[in-house]
Amino acid sequence: GESVGLHLPTLSVQEGDNSIINCAYSNSASDYFIWYKQESGKGPQFIIDIRSNMDKRQGQRVTVLLNKTVKHLSLQIAATQPGDSAVYFCAELLSGYGQNFVFGPGTRLSVLP
Amino acid sequence: EAGVVQSPRYKIIEKKQPVAFWCNPISGHNTLYWYRQNLGQGPELLIRYENEEAVDDSQLPKDRFSAERLKGVDSTLKIQPAELGDSAVYLCASSSGQGLGDNEQFFGPGTRLTVL
Repeated sequence: GESVGLHLPTLSVQEGDNSIINCAYSNSASDYFIWYKQESGKGPQFIIDIRSNMDKRQGQRVTVLLNKTVKHLSLQIAATQPGDSAVYFCAELLSGYGQNFVFGPGTRLSVLP
Repeated sequence: EAGVVQSPRYKIIEKKQPVAFWCNPISGHNTLYWYRQNLGQGPELLIRYENEEAVDDSQLPKDRFSAERLKGVDSTLKIQPAELGDSAVYLCASSSGQGLGDNEQFFGPGTRLTVL
């Protein structure tokens, strides 16, 4: 897979490769983060979450890494499949403002056959 | 179990006309959110309800937008009058909101509004 920063909103990977999607969050006080997947014509769908007292969390084929030092979040997708093609958003929870999530701009993942 | 239901799915109106969106959250979810999502961007919160109370409407353009959640279940979001810049997808989400770990928001499919 290929790592991209926020300034590159599109990521293309070969089917079967690993994907890494990055996100820089804005508030060092954020203590909860979620990755969402949004397919065309649908609402965002929860993928995985992580709290600020953790630096890694694994799910089924997905791993989220949190680096609080540089305020960076990444989503790793193992063995990327065509069904993974979508736009991926990270969202941070700003606890000081109640339970309101702030969403990043998103990255489009395209899986090539 | 049914997810978050929104209607209509699509709406096309002329500018200066009113429009309303409806949302039925997941049963038992006390927290309801309305978001606006512009093309190619992430959702932006408009208003958050805890039961029937709007606890955060700081991002709602109150000159033309209004929302209500009577009886703490269904909610409607209204725009009057609509402007060209209101064209976007309006998403409704709900969560149980019982604690930090229960903040998972379940989103509806959204209403795509086009203002001509």
